[in-house]
Amino acid sequence: AQKITQTQPGMFVQEKEAVTLDCTYDTSDQSYGLFWYKQPSSGEMIFLIYQGSYDEQNATEGRYSLNFQKARKSANLVISASQLGDSAMYFCAMRGIGSNDYKLSFGAGTTVTVRA
Amino acid sequence: EAQVTQNPRYLITVTGKKLTVTCSQNMNHEYMSWYRQDPGLGLRQIYYSMNVEVTDKGDVPEGYKVSRKEKRNFPLILESPSPNQTSLYFCASSLDRRSNQPQHFGDGTRLSIL
Repeated sequence: AQKITQTQPGMFVQEKEAVTLDCTYDTSDQSYGLFWYKQPSSGEMIFLIYQGSYDEQNATEGRYSLNFQKARKSANLVISASQLGDSAMYFCAMRGIGSNDYKLSFGAGTTVTVRA
Repeated sequence: EAQVTQNPRYLITVTGKKLTVTCSQNMNHEYMSWYRQDPGLGLRQIYYSMNVEVTDKGDVPEGYKVSRKEKRNFPLILESPSPNQTSLYFCASSLDRRSNQPQHFGDGTRLSIL
């Protein structure tokens, strides 16, 4: 079984500052993928960034970077230079290769509000 | 344009009246899945399908049915909806079942069961 924990229900960040969203996970799979999704108030789910369990480098995509610490089972998302449009809910998710189940397991989400 | 399309986007209905939420993807993806999103719980998988005629239960399958007769379509069926199925539903697809494949989501369907 996989479990994703996001301990921050909500966060405020000042525009142009960086923000770190915490994500820890638990899995018995040796090979897995970690994902972050953004859900703005309009409701759609937008894929942001991916980190593979065997990737040695931390993933980066524009202003998004993933601080992956495998031994600690954490995959924190860092958003640099926050913008008002970053206000949204953010979900951490993982997908393993265990038994016959290839589902995406989600955390409860963190709501980010960017202040001008 | 590559996309996952869900219909309807919004639906208010009554207990016991059968309904179907359609999902279609145009990316030739093998893997498709349905999730429901409830406050404080994130997204939970209802059913998934690895390919045509191959479906399996996710974490919360009770009260739902699915079918995968064609690769592009994966409808979600509520035979006898109940108020506890009021939720935001997402269909998603990915190229295949490999762990490095992101899932692409539809825009969501908000169901209210009275």
